[in-house]
Amino acid sequence: EVQLVESGGGLVQPGGSLRLSCSASGFIFRTYAMHWVRQAPGRGLEYVSGISSDGDSTYHADSVKGRFTISRDTSKKTLFLQMSSLRPDDTAVYYCVKDQRWGNWNSPTFDYWGQGTLVTVSS
Amino acid sequence: DIQMTQSPSSLSASVGDRVTITCRASQSINYYLNWYQQKPGKAPNLLIYTASSLQSGVPSRFSGSGSGTDFTLTISSLQPEDFATYYCQQSFSPTFTFGPGTKVDIK
Repeated sequence: EVQLVESGGGLVQPGGSLRLSCSASGFIFRTYAMHWVRQAPGRGLEYVSGISSDGDSTYHADSVKGRFTISRDTSKKTLFLQMSSLRPDDTAVYYCVKDQRWGNWNSPTFDYWGQGTLVTVSS
Repeated sequence: DIQMTQSPSSLSASVGDRVTITCRASQSINYYLNWYQQKPGKAPNLLIYTASSLQSGVPSRFSGSGSGTDFTLTISSLQPEDFATYYCQQSFSPTFTFGPGTKVDIK
C-alpha cells in the first residue's frame, strides 16, 4: 500500500524558514517523480514544486522560485521542501504527491497524496 | 502560462442526477487533462487522467471527455458520496495548473 506521510509543518514568522519532509513507502521511490501541491485555507489547489525520479531535474512555481527548494533522498525514501523567506500568503496545507507513471517527468498525474501538513506564516 | 477555468463554480443536484462539469484551458493542452475529487478535510483523489482514462478503483459512473481546450467530467448518476469539490488540472506545461474547482452539493 502506497503511503506518503508529511511532517515539518507549523507556525513560523514572516521571513522565517521551514523544512517539510515526506516519508514514502509501498512503491519503488527512486523510479517516480515527486511533487508538492499546496492549498490555502478555503482555497483551491496550487502546484508548487516537482523533482524527477533521479533528482536531476526540478521545477518550482514562480510564486516560490528562489525561496523554496525541492530535494529527495532516495536511500531514505524521503522528499523534502526547504522553504525560506516565508510570507503570509504561503500559509497552506502542503501535500506530498506521487506521479502516476514510472519514470515520467514531463506530464504529471497525481495518483497518491499524503494527508498534508499545515504551514502557517504569521507574526 | 496556461490558465484553467471551470464552470459552473458550484451546483446543486439530487441523488440520481446526471452532472456535467466543464473545464477550459487558455490554450491547447491536447489531452493532458486530469480530474480530481476532494472532500472536506481530505486530500484530493484522482478520478480521470489524460482526459478520458478512468483511474483504477474509481466507479464507472465517472467519465471524462474532450481534447484541445475544452473538457468535461460527467457523473452519470450522482451518489451521496459524490458530493465534493472537483478540480481539473493540466499536465501539458510545467505550471501544471489546477482549475478553481466546482463544488457539488445536495439540492
